[in-house]
Amino acid sequence: KAGVTQTPRYLIKTRGQQVTLSCSPISGHRSVSWYQQTPGQGLQFLFEYFSETQRNKGNFPGRFSGRQFSNSRSEMNVSTLELGDSALYLCASSPGTSGSRFFGPGTRLTVL
Amino acid sequence: TQLLEQSPQFLSIQEGENLTVYCNSSSVFSSLQWYRQEPGEGPVLLVTVVTGGEVKKLKRLTFQFGDARKDSSLHITAAQPGDTGLYLCADAYSGAGSYQLTFGKGTKLSVIP
Repeated sequence: KAGVTQTPRYLIKTRGQQVTLSCSPISGHRSVSWYQQTPGQGLQFLFEYFSETQRNKGNFPGRFSGRQFSNSRSEMNVSTLELGDSALYLCASSPGTSGSRFFGPGTRLTVL
Repeated sequence: TQLLEQSPQFLSIQEGENLTVYCNSSSVFSSLQWYRQEPGEGPVLLVTVVTGGEVKKLKRLTFQFGDARKDSSLHITAAQPGDTGLYLCADAYSGAGSYQLTFGKGTKLSVIP
C-alpha cells in the first residue's frame, strides 16, 4: 500500500505570495490532518478534515486554510506569505477520526 | 494549554551506549505516543501507551509511562546508528468527533559509529 504523498516536496516563495500544498492520503483513509514544523515551535496542529468537513482547527491565523475533496485528497493554502511561514508542512492520514496517524514526508516551504 | 517538555534537547552518543530521554506534561495525558522522525521524512509512530505505570518494549526500545500519566521515558539499549533521529512525544486526544496530537519539541539523537 502506498504511503501518504505530499507535493511538492520543496517550494520557495517570496513574501506576500500565496501557496497551495497537496496531500494524498493512504488509500481508504478518510481523515487528513496538517501540521507545521519549525525549529522554534516544533510540530503544531493546523487543522483536520474528515469526509470533506473540517473537524478541528489549531491556533493559526486565517491566512491558513484547507479543504478536502471527495476522494479524500487535501490541500492547504497559505495566503500573504510571511517569513515566519517558512517551515516543514506535514500531512497525516488515518482511516477515521480516531486511531493512529500516518505522516507523509512533508513539504519544505521557504519564504524569502 | 497543555505543554510537553522533552529532555535533553540534543544527545550525541557512541554506538553501543545506552540512553534515556524524557517527556513531561503540564497536564495528564489523554494517551501518550512516541514517534521517531528521520531527516527528510515525517514522524513514524513507535508506540502508544494509555495506562499509568505501563511499560512497553519494542526490540531495544523500552517505553515507560508514569503512574500519574504526566511523564514518560524512552530507554534505548545498545544504541545503533540507525537509531539516529528526532524522538517526539505527543498527547493524542480523541473526542467530539475529532482527533488532535500535541507534540513536544523533541530530542535530537545522534549515534556515532
